[in-house]
Amino acid sequence: AQSVTQPDIHITVSEGASLELRCNYSYGATPYLFWYVQSPGQGLQLLLKYFSGDTLVQGIKGFEAEFKRSQSSFNLRKPSVHWSDAAEYFCAVVGDDKIIFGKGTRLHILP
Amino acid sequence: GAVVSQHPSWVICKSGTSVKIECRSLDFQATTMFWYRQFPKQSLMLMATSNEGSKATYEQGVEKDKFLINHASLTLSTLTVTSAHPEDSSFYICSAKRTAGGSNEQFFGPGTRLTVL
Repeated sequence: AQSVTQPDIHITVSEGASLELRCNYSYGATPYLFWYVQSPGQGLQLLLKYFSGDTLVQGIKGFEAEFKRSQSSFNLRKPSVHWSDAAEYFCAVVGDDKIIFGKGTRLHILP
Repeated sequence: GAVVSQHPSWVICKSGTSVKIECRSLDFQATTMFWYRQFPKQSLMLMATSNEGSKATYEQGVEKDKFLINHASLTLSTLTVTSAHPEDSSFYICSAKRTAGGSNEQFFGPGTRLTVL
């Protein structure tokens, strides 16, 4: 069965610093992968997605993610974070027509 | 395009009453919609898959008689929490998958905050 692991529950970075959020998936076939962001009390906003093709995917708000099949990873990156990036980030995989979410990583930004 | 709405955005009800939450795809048709539940500071958990014109498919551990799902049209699915109790208080989020295009992408609604007193 498919699964998603986000090993970091909390991450704290300084404003302006670079960011990498880790995501590992388990799925037998080629996965469809997503990163979502959720602000407190809000719904989900899609940052980016990978279906096929170029393994480096560009998203909104300056985020990018790289699909690495050999490592079963889909890590999210941003070169310079802004205070407004503080939120919960969820990695997700679609398999058998269902989205499976990771447990999320809470991003804290230091001024 | 691909906007999904939910109504209401928040609801407070007394224990023992039933609450209906609507999920609408505003600018596309959705044969399949999904209902998720999210507890505070936790991830989303899939409750059920709602298919237009047929019975919903519930995930293991979800009581189908308590969480009634109706997908009567290609743009509307409803979730009714029957005889709600305080432990049903949660954030309920729906998503919709386009009928056309064959994409596996789901589009999420803004969520409904349910508080049962």
